[in-house]
Amino acid sequence: SQTIHQWPATLVQPVGSPLSLECTVEGTSNPNLYWYRQAAGRGLQLLFYSVGIGQISSEVPQNLSASRPQDRQFILSSKKLLLSDSGFYLCAWSARNTEAFFGQGTRLTVV
Amino acid sequence: AQSVTQLDSQVPVFEEAPVELRCNYSSSVSVYLFWYVQYPNQGLQLLLKYLSGSTLVESINGFEAEFNKSQTSFHLRKPSVHISDTAEYFCAVSAKAAGNKLTFGGGTRVLVKP
Repeated sequence: SQTIHQWPATLVQPVGSPLSLECTVEGTSNPNLYWYRQAAGRGLQLLFYSVGIGQISSEVPQNLSASRPQDRQFILSSKKLLLSDSGFYLCAWSARNTEAFFGQGTRLTVV
Repeated sequence: AQSVTQLDSQVPVFEEAPVELRCNYSSSVSVYLFWYVQYPNQGLQLLLKYLSGSTLVESINGFEAEFNKSQTSFHLRKPSVHISDTAEYFCAVSAKAAGNKLTFGGGTRVLVKP
């Protein structure tokens, strides 16, 4: 069966520090991969999605970037965090034309 | 582009009472529709989905949703809620053949009271 792993679960980082959140999927190949952000009291916003290695689409302009160095690995990064980057980050995967499956999320607090 | 509107941000309900969570969407193309549930500090779990076929879809824990194309709605219902149904519920839509990018509504927080 397919599983998705996302880590760390929680993270507290100072303003201006770098960020790297990792997500890996097991049990499937060539998945679509997604990074979402959920701000407190708000819905989910799609940040990045990828349909293959090295293929990244950004949905909103921001301080973050994403990379897909391997088929089942998706990384969310920032060179310098802002206070406004705080939130709950969710990685997800889907096969073609099916529902998305989510990781357990990373709660990022920028202080 | 698609958009999703969940009309109620919070719904308090007593245990064993029925609940309905409203979801309306807009899209210029055919869509898939989903309801996800999120328990505190967890990821989203798929509750049910409409891809094609019967417009009434059901989950294993008593929820159901009906796709109404003319009203562009996908409301979620449960005839009798439990305390354990306290969670946030998200309606989502993806355009067919669009890479399964989900567009979410703002969420509805359900608080089940004893």
